[in-house]
Amino acid sequence: DQQVKQNSPSLSVQEGRISILNCDYTNSMFDYFLWYKKYPAEGPTFLISISSIKDKNEDGRFTVFLNKSAKHLSLHIVPSQPGDSAVYFCAASGGDVAGGTSYGKLTFGQGTILTVHP
Amino acid sequence: KAGVTQTPRYLIKTRGQQVTLSCSPISGHRSVSWYQQTPGQGLQFLFEYFSETQRNKGNFPGRFSGRQFSNSRSEMNVSTLELGDSALYLCASSPSLPPQAFFGQGTRLTVV
Repeated sequence: DQQVKQNSPSLSVQEGRISILNCDYTNSMFDYFLWYKKYPAEGPTFLISISSIKDKNEDGRFTVFLNKSAKHLSLHIVPSQPGDSAVYFCAASGGDVAGGTSYGKLTFGQGTILTVHP
Repeated sequence: KAGVTQTPRYLIKTRGQQVTLSCSPISGHRSVSWYQQTPGQGLQFLFEYFSETQRNKGNFPGRFSGRQFSNSRSEMNVSTLELGDSALYLCASSPSLPPQAFFGQGTRLTVV
């Protein structure tokens, strides 16, 4: 049961244009969402996050949008640069569950390979 | 601040052996979690430690275990290695809140 899904395995965009990466989740207990960028054989690099009490968070060229009713989030990169080419993972974590906390556990999507062409 | 440090970076082991991987978290972070990345399964959560106690556990067999020391450094151990254990093992440390995990470079384990 995949609770976090990235349905697009790959995305190709031209330099300077907008990149939109999508992510869907099924677990309504998730209330914190993160995006990571990853190069092969390296650890993921944290990009941006959003709490479920917000619907938008911006950091420079990166904006994350959250639609709780649709259980959908997206990452917008504007403008896209060739250096943005990497695998992008969305991840989700939940709050208190059965008296404990599951914030330390991230559930990842399968990733989307972004290629930005010069 | 120094980032998350994992040692060793690369490891080759024989089926049936055991292995111990080490992780030093970012200073001040008390939560350390471990993940396995394989081409077929993506990034899978192994377990999380907070203040020397296992707080969360993923769906992995008992051959996978871990511990955390009083200085927040963590180790994970895999016993009776199988070929399918070949993967990139990632350690992440987190501040208490917000739950933003910062990852190390990983340890590439190859089981032959």
